[in-house]
Amino acid sequence: GAVVSQHPSWVICKSGTSVKIECRSLDFQATTMFWYRQFPKQSLMLMATSNEGSKATYEQGVEKDKFLINHASLTLSTLTVTSAHPEDSSFYICSAYGSGRSNTGELFFGEGSRLTVL
Amino acid sequence: EDQVTQSPEALRLQEGESSSLNCSYTVSGLRGLFWYRQDPGKGPEFLFTLYSAGEEKEKERLKATLTKKESFLHITAPKPEDSATYLCAVQTYGQNFVFGPGTRLSVLP
Repeated sequence: GAVVSQHPSWVICKSGTSVKIECRSLDFQATTMFWYRQFPKQSLMLMATSNEGSKATYEQGVEKDKFLINHASLTLSTLTVTSAHPEDSSFYICSAYGSGRSNTGELFFGEGSRLTVL
Repeated sequence: EDQVTQSPEALRLQEGESSSLNCSYTVSGLRGLFWYRQDPGKGPEFLFTLYSAGEEKEKERLKATLTKKESFLHITAPKPEDSATYLCAVQTYGQNFVFGPGTRLSVLP
């Protein structure tokens, strides 16, 4: 079963509104979570890295005021797209890294969230 | 600079036609190499982690191998349901994950 849950899977919003996407690790403690953006037929583009209890580290070119990331606990990180515009429409994916039952430190992905801004 | 490349970019196989996908890496220090499968509109699904040269792992029709410079994902007698994009990623000692661009595999019936 899924070890990282992402919600919502689909979201449609009006331009100017804010949208929050949640990423939860289900059976392990995620010391680090990553947020990606993916355009059609392209690979994952890392947006930011978040460690529990500290500020996220954003990749070059990613607006930190536009994409707010919070990693308040070892099982939950949120991405808020503020004042969304049509160009923010994309597929957003989170991944979580940490030690679980197997303690092998693997990286698991959420199912992704499709954002459409009208 | 840490880099991961994958080849080919796209691969079309007939059902039952075995082949291999390549992931080459240049990193400062390899902590682990990961293989994922991604279907359209979904998040990547974890397949394998390899940690040291010479290591091999198998799962159904897939086998992953690792050397000091590259990893191969061997697909034996593929079926149409194996069609997907296969991603590899390298975790460095700095805890960074560097992803390759992926190989789009199409298996025709």
